[in-house]
Amino acid sequence: ETGVTQTPRHLVMGMTNKKSLKCEQHLGHNAMYWYKQSAKKPLELMFVYNFKEQTENNSVPSRFSPECPNSSHLFLHLHTLQPEDSALYLCASSQDLIRERAPYEQYFGPGTRLTVT
Amino acid sequence: GDSVTQMEGPVTLSEEAFLTINCTYTATGYPSLFWYVQYPGEGLQLLLKATKADDKGSNKGFEATYRKETTSFHLEKGSVQVSDSAVYFCALTGANNLFFGTGTRLTVIP
Repeated sequence: ETGVTQTPRHLVMGMTNKKSLKCEQHLGHNAMYWYKQSAKKPLELMFVYNFKEQTENNSVPSRFSPECPNSSHLFLHLHTLQPEDSALYLCASSQDLIRERAPYEQYFGPGTRLTVT
Repeated sequence: GDSVTQMEGPVTLSEEAFLTINCTYTATGYPSLFWYVQYPGEGLQLLLKATKADDKGSNKGFEATYRKETTSFHLEKGSVQVSDSAVYFCALTGANNLFFGTGTRLTVIP
């Protein structure tokens, strides 16, 4: 039990659909993250939130839209995706923002396996 | 920019064999270094970490030493078990996040 849950675990959607991924952390952490995990590529950081405020957007296409209503919940809204967006989407949290001098542990959810058809 | 390079897999070993997974890094500052592990169907979880040069992180029989002179943080285990089969990720701290490597898949056969 990592304390970070993600729903759904699997999602198949067409390119014209709109769907949302949900992440919830039960650890009392202040920072939350979205990552994209594709085969044979490093984890790609997508978004970072700290105290509900977005602190980083790593040049993610606008078809991905994050929402952080509070420090415990994080959403990723998806619309008009492309087949190359098929991947495992991981949510993570940490006590506070990770910095060079603040090496907090990141706690990951199990991920949502997304397939875009 | 900051980055991590780890050996490509997959790695297949027999039970009780010695494991080494190489990891080298590029960083402008003084990062902390990590190994995360991902078991099938799960998210990543911290295996061990080291926060300064010459520190040794260890957990569950795994070890890694922060070598600033060779910019390396190689993962080792003296005797692997079938239950160690997973994907292993090397990572370092950046400005406000971790930079991860591509992952190395380890399969241990009985």
